[in-house]
Amino acid sequence: SAVISQKPSRDICQRGTSLTIQCQVDSQVTMMFWYRQQPGQSLTLIATANQGSEATYESGFVIDKFPISRPNLTFSTLTVSNMSPEDSSIYLCSVGLLETQYFGPGTRLLVL
Amino acid sequence: GQQLNQSPQSMFIQEGEDVSMNCTSSSIFNTWLWYKQDPGEGPVLLIALYKAGELTSNGRLTAQFGITRKDSFLNISASIPSDVGIYFCAGSRAGLTFGKGTHLIIQP
Repeated sequence: SAVISQKPSRDICQRGTSLTIQCQVDSQVTMMFWYRQQPGQSLTLIATANQGSEATYESGFVIDKFPISRPNLTFSTLTVSNMSPEDSSIYLCSVGLLETQYFGPGTRLLVL
Repeated sequence: GQQLNQSPQSMFIQEGEDVSMNCTSSSIFNTWLWYKQDPGEGPVLLIALYKAGELTSNGRLTAQFGITRKDSFLNISASIPSDVGIYFCAGSRAGLTFGKGTHLIIQP
């Protein structure tokens, strides 16, 4: 398995602003992923963060709204841009090892 | 797209009872995973299943990878209060597809 940390753990933000979420892993991993979990819902994949190349976004998610960086094999960031109340969710990073994924503790975002 | 049907949506049980939940899909998956999520936390991996027909235990938890590769179940024996939470199944094939979760509530 892998030990994954996220910063911040939670935040309250004003609409129109942006928040960058950090994900740190204790070992080098090839595959990192970003998910959104809306209140009371399951997890939805936003994008796959590839080291050294552009992130791959799922249908319904675009780079302008959710820019992602992956500067090395242990770190990634997700920015939620120009936030609205509909962006209030838990944002989770995960890492892929074999056919399995391990999740960070999540960042709880509330947009007012 | 791939969809998973997870049932039941919620369970209200007495402490000490056994629990059973399952996921089915119209698609074949290479791996089935079961996670538990506590309030305010990320999902924690409970059991990973890699082969059709595989039956795997982790303490009081037992899970099976269906022979058709389109379904999986999770059983919890002799439930205790700390089993409360949301359980998610996930199928893996070119990424993870999650079920909608089973909310487990235990009455003392």
